[in-house]
Amino acid sequence: DVKVTQSSRYLVKRTGEKVFLECVQDMDHENMFWYRQDPGLGLRLIYFSYDVKMKEKGDIPEGYSVSREKKERFSLILESASTNQTSMYLCASSYPGQFNEQFFGPGTRLTVL
Amino acid sequence: GQNIDQPTEMTATEGAIVQINCTYQTSGFNGLFWYQQHAGEAPTFLSYNVLDGLEEKGRFSSFLSRSKGYSYLLLKELQMKDSASYLCASRGLGGATNKLIFGTGTLLAVQP
Repeated sequence: DVKVTQSSRYLVKRTGEKVFLECVQDMDHENMFWYRQDPGLGLRLIYFSYDVKMKEKGDIPEGYSVSREKKERFSLILESASTNQTSMYLCASSYPGQFNEQFFGPGTRLTVL
Repeated sequence: GQNIDQPTEMTATEGAIVQINCTYQTSGFNGLFWYQQHAGEAPTFLSYNVLDGLEEKGRFSSFLSRSKGYSYLLLKELQMKDSASYLCASRGLGGATNKLIFGTGTLLAVQP
């Protein structure tokens, strides 16, 4: 059974803290993605990676960075958390190619105070 | 530009049929996905269309018209467990990365 796991379901941080969100997949997928989901805005792509050490900006990369040192792990980093980064963060992974669905993790609800 | 439109909310009755529409305007098109997301859970894949026409999968069907930039998800014999948000997503051109643009989702409430 395919599996994408995220390090925390709920996280509370303070403004200015450095925050790490971890995502691990066990499907040997090349592609990995980080989204945030907000009411009325839907899922928005922050960053994605199509190979180890490779990354590309999504639609809203400002305030975020990512790291992919191993194929199965993709980390999202908030260098200095701000209240407007309070959101649900979803990680996904997929094989490359035209038709390949993305498999999502359960999400991390981050609150920045 | 890239834009996906779908209704915000819909209500339907258990046992009935409901159609959730999605229109898209994307720079390049390479497929249309539908995902289901129950409250507090991860989105899960429902269907994929890349050619015009209807794809049927049990109680769920999805339709695509590329010339009209239009898709719909049809749910038959509605059950209470179908109450969820339904996300339409367009895949643009761009090779292997499978990047998707998501709509804001349609929250479906199934009533007894």
